[in-house]
Amino acid sequence: EPEVTQTPSHQVTQMGQEVILRCVPISNHLYFYWYRQILGQKVEFLVSFYNNEISEKSEIFDDQFSVERPDGSNFTLKIRSTKLEDSAMYFCAYRDTSNQPQHFGDGTRLSIL
Amino acid sequence: EDQVTQSPEALRLQEGESSSLNCSYTVSGLRGLFWYRQDPGKGPEFLFTLYSAGEEKEKERLKATLTKKESFLHITAPKPEDSATYLCAGSNAGGTSYGKLTFGQGTILTVHP
Repeated sequence: EPEVTQTPSHQVTQMGQEVILRCVPISNHLYFYWYRQILGQKVEFLVSFYNNEISEKSEIFDDQFSVERPDGSNFTLKIRSTKLEDSAMYFCAYRDTSNQPQHFGDGTRLSIL
Repeated sequence: EDQVTQSPEALRLQEGESSSLNCSYTVSGLRGLFWYRQDPGKGPEFLFTLYSAGEEKEKERLKATLTKKESFLHITAPKPEDSATYLCAGSNAGGTSYGKLTFGQGTILTVHP
């Protein structure tokens, strides 16, 4: 079983609405990541988060996206005004040190109508 | 631009029929080459990390190898439970990278009994 729990498992939202995807780690990990996988396409990097701030982000991660870890536990991805092309599986990942691999949650399926 | 390409896209094997999956990469300053397994509706599950050319890692029926330009995942005497999508990903060490993964599109492996 993954050491992070992602909620919800499936989110259906109207275009233009805001969504918040959550990732709850079981242990206190150091590095967190968000990736997305559009149906039939590659897993794509969105953003990395270390020491309570964004350490790296991709071109996909524009102003409509934001991440935070407000209570030191939940790690969230917010999409402010969703578009049809935001429909995808969103995966949270973590690792504990720079020499360890990333481990993934089971994802949230986001469907924009 | 970092790029990871996997072949074949799909592979059908009979139980016991050994084969190999290929991953070619152009990742500047490669820090690690990772293999993951992904089952339908699940997140990627970590299998192996390879750091330098000539390195090999083994786990049950799987063996991963690395050269300067590509990696192979060898599957010996596969069983139906090995059916999954196998993902290859590279991580670079350049600049301020915090270990983002660049994924290939995956190889869908089906093992028939």
